[in-house]
Amino acid sequence: SQTIHQWPATLVQPVGSPLSLECTVEGTSNPNLYWYRQAAGRGLQLLFYSVGIGQISSEVPQNLSASRPQDRQFILSSKKLLLSDSGFYLCAFFLGEFNSPLHFGNGTRLTVT
Amino acid sequence: AQRVTQPEKLLSVFKGAPVELKCNYSYSGSPELFWYVQYSRQRLQLLLRHISRESIKGFTADLNKGETSFHLKKPFAQEEDSAMYYCAPPNNAGNMLTFGGGTRLMVKP
Repeated sequence: SQTIHQWPATLVQPVGSPLSLECTVEGTSNPNLYWYRQAAGRGLQLLFYSVGIGQISSEVPQNLSASRPQDRQFILSSKKLLLSDSGFYLCAFFLGEFNSPLHFGNGTRLTVT
Repeated sequence: AQRVTQPEKLLSVFKGAPVELKCNYSYSGSPELFWYVQYSRQRLQLLLRHISRESIKGFTADLNKGETSFHLKKPFAQEEDSAMYYCAPPNNAGNMLTFGGGTRLMVKP
């Protein structure tokens, strides 16, 4: 069966510091991968998605970037964190079959101080 | 674009009362919708999907094409139903998947 791992679970970083959150999927190949942010009172916001290695899409201008160096690895990064980057970040994968659900990781709670 | 809206950010009911979490969609094509749930300290997970016509944990969701809605219902709420609920459109490769804003359900004893 497929599993998704996301780390770290919690992170406290000062303003201006870099960020790297990692997400890996096991048990499948060529999944669609997603990064979401869940901010208090604002629901789920899609940040990036990827349909293959090196393919990253985003329509939300922001301080963050994403990369997919390997088929089952998805990384969320920032060169300099802002206070507004605080939130709960969720990685998810989708196997590409019509009407299949998204499968989410446990999330990372990021606090920028 | 496939979009869903959840008009209520917070819904508070007493244990045993009926619950209806609203979701409206606005896109063409086959509206195969999903409900996801996030319990405290647990990962966001699928609750049910329209295509399965299933009842999970006493919850059902009926697609109403006339009202373009996919409301989530349960006749008698339990305290363990307290969670964050998201309505979502179907997944298509490469699409930007926009969830509804989410509704926090609080079931009071």
